[in-house]
Amino acid sequence: TQLLEQSPQFLSIQEGENLTVYCNSSSVFSSLQWYRQEPGEGPVLLVTVVTGGEVKKLKRLTFQFGDARKDSSLHITAAQPGDTGLYLCAGASGDSNYQLIWGAGTKLIIKP
Amino acid sequence: DTGVSQDPRHKITKRGQNVTFRCDPISEHNRLYWYRQTLGQGPEFLTYFQNEAQLEKSRLLSDRFSAERPKGSFSTLEIQRTEQGDSAMYLCATADGFTDTQYFGPGTRLTVL
Repeated sequence: TQLLEQSPQFLSIQEGENLTVYCNSSSVFSSLQWYRQEPGEGPVLLVTVVTGGEVKKLKRLTFQFGDARKDSSLHITAAQPGDTGLYLCAGASGDSNYQLIWGAGTKLIIKP
Repeated sequence: DTGVSQDPRHKITKRGQNVTFRCDPISEHNRLYWYRQTLGQGPEFLTYFQNEAQLEKSRLLSDRFSAERPKGSFSTLEIQRTEQGDSAMYLCATADGFTDTQYFGPGTRLTVL
């Protein structure tokens, strides 16, 4: 069974601090997506990474896919209260139904 | 707005009643997924359609749940004889035929009293 473990499960920090969220598995994924979800809303796609070692930047967010395509990280620089939310990673298993394997999420709170 | 819409956004029902939810996908997306999500957890896969064909259904899904996508466009998810344990956010996601990326609707929040 493929699993994606996210850490930490919960993080509360002050505005302006930096943070990193991790997504780890023993399985290889064909791609990995990061989503951000606000209460009462559906997840919103932030980025898809496909190539081992790939780094993508989205303003203050930096996403990295591990060389072996088994893990990923999300680094936020100078966090803002607007970054508050549930961050979810999801790996594509590469099967014919394009199923995603989901992490349980990291709940991030940025205090002003 | 991802282009995926769901209706209703909220549903409150009494235990034992039937409920039906609708999802309208991004028009060119042929793949459609239904998920259930409880508070603080990641989405849990329920079922998957490619065009009008239901290709996969979670083994965890009881026979009270049924989904359709009759013309390969919109989809409905019906829950019969609802139970309090069915209370959750029900999410629909769609994808094109070329990538793994899924785009989510805003979800339907179900509360069973």
